[in-house]
Amino acid sequence: GQNIDQPTEMTATEGAIVQINCTYQTSGFNGLFWYQQHAGEAPTFLSYNVLDGLEEKGRFSSFLSRSKGYSYLLLKELQMKDSASYLCAVRDNQAGTALIFGKGTTLSVSS
Amino acid sequence: DVKVTQSSRYLVKRTGEKVFLECVQDMDHENMFWYRQDPGLGLRLIYFSYDVKMKEKGDIPEGYSVSREKKERFSLILESASTNQTSMYLCASREATEAFFGQGTRLTVV
Repeated sequence: GQNIDQPTEMTATEGAIVQINCTYQTSGFNGLFWYQQHAGEAPTFLSYNVLDGLEEKGRFSSFLSRSKGYSYLLLKELQMKDSASYLCAVRDNQAGTALIFGKGTTLSVSS
Repeated sequence: DVKVTQSSRYLVKRTGEKVFLECVQDMDHENMFWYRQDPGLGLRLIYFSYDVKMKEKGDIPEGYSVSREKKERFSLILESASTNQTSMYLCASREATEAFFGQGTRLTVV
């Protein structure tokens, strides 16, 4: 089976940097994904890591350590529009082609 | 522009009714998925399909079935709706890495 853990809620202020952690346990790890979901909307893809290291995409970066079963999403220069839920998901060969999601982290950005 | 379309945004059904949730994608993806999303529980996988007429159970398939007669369409069926199936239902499709989600159907069973 799979187990994915991430904090339930986080708060931060505009312009700051925030790191959202995700730990996972899977039998056949085959990639980790981060999605952003604004209230009432569909999740949208942010990043994908399959090898160890940092992937940077503008203000967002994602890091993976397969040996530790650990990832984080780093958001820089926070803006109010970054207030959303951030979903960590893994692809596990045991689960076929599906993504298995954590419960999500709700980030609130204040001015 | 890629698109995953779910037939309804909001749906209200009565207990015991048979409910069909339809999902269509225009990206020629082989893999399609149905999730439900509930507060505090996140997205949970109900069923997925990796090809026409092929289906696999996810983590919570009880009370649901699916149909994939054509590559672009993946239907979720609630054989006899119950109040504990009140939820947000999200369809997704994926080829290599990125999964694209539909806008979701908020189903209320009364």
